[in-house]
Amino acid sequence: DVKVTQSSRYLVKRTGEKVFLECVQDMDHENMFWYRQDPGLGLRLIYFSYDVKMKEKGDIPEGYSVSREKKERFSLILESASTNQTSMYLCASSDPGQGHEQYFGPGTRLTVT
Amino acid sequence: KQEVTQIPAALSVPEGENLVLNCSFTDSAIYNLQWFRQDPGKGLTSLLLIQSSQREQTSGRLNASLDKSSGRSTLYIAASQPGDSATYLCAVRGTGFQKLVFGTGTRLLVSP
Repeated sequence: DVKVTQSSRYLVKRTGEKVFLECVQDMDHENMFWYRQDPGLGLRLIYFSYDVKMKEKGDIPEGYSVSREKKERFSLILESASTNQTSMYLCASSDPGQGHEQYFGPGTRLTVT
Repeated sequence: KQEVTQIPAALSVPEGENLVLNCSFTDSAIYNLQWFRQDPGKGLTSLLLIQSSQREQTSGRLNASLDKSSGRSTLYIAASQPGDSATYLCAVRGTGFQKLVFGTGTRLLVSP
């Protein structure tokens, strides 16, 4: 079974802090994704990566950056957290060899106060 | 721009009923369509993946169909159980390296 893990289930940070969200997948998938999910807005893509050290902006990249130094790990960075970044963050991975089926992690509920 | 719509937004049924969830999309040039389940406060669980060349996929009590020409997919759940209560999301991936476009989901409640 594909397993996608996220470093924290719940996180509380203060405005202005630098926040790191970590995601690890164990199936050697090429592609990794970061989404945020908000009531009434659904899932929105922040960034994705199709290879190590490669990244592409999604729909809402402002205020975020990402890092993919190793194939299995994709990090989302909030350079200076703001209250409007309070959300559920979901990581996913996929691979062309598996028909690009996306597998999601359990999510991180981030609260910025 | 691809748009994905799910109807109904919410559905409440008694245990044992067979039910159908609907998903429609505006651009038929898709690579695949994926159905997910999400429990409150949790991540998404992949249920079924249908490639553009396929008409349906089955897994246990679940059957998903795809009609690209009409821009529709349905998720059929047989003999529903209270444990099926969750939000069901469909998502469409375009051709090329395209992101998934998600519907807004159908919130299902199955009562004992």
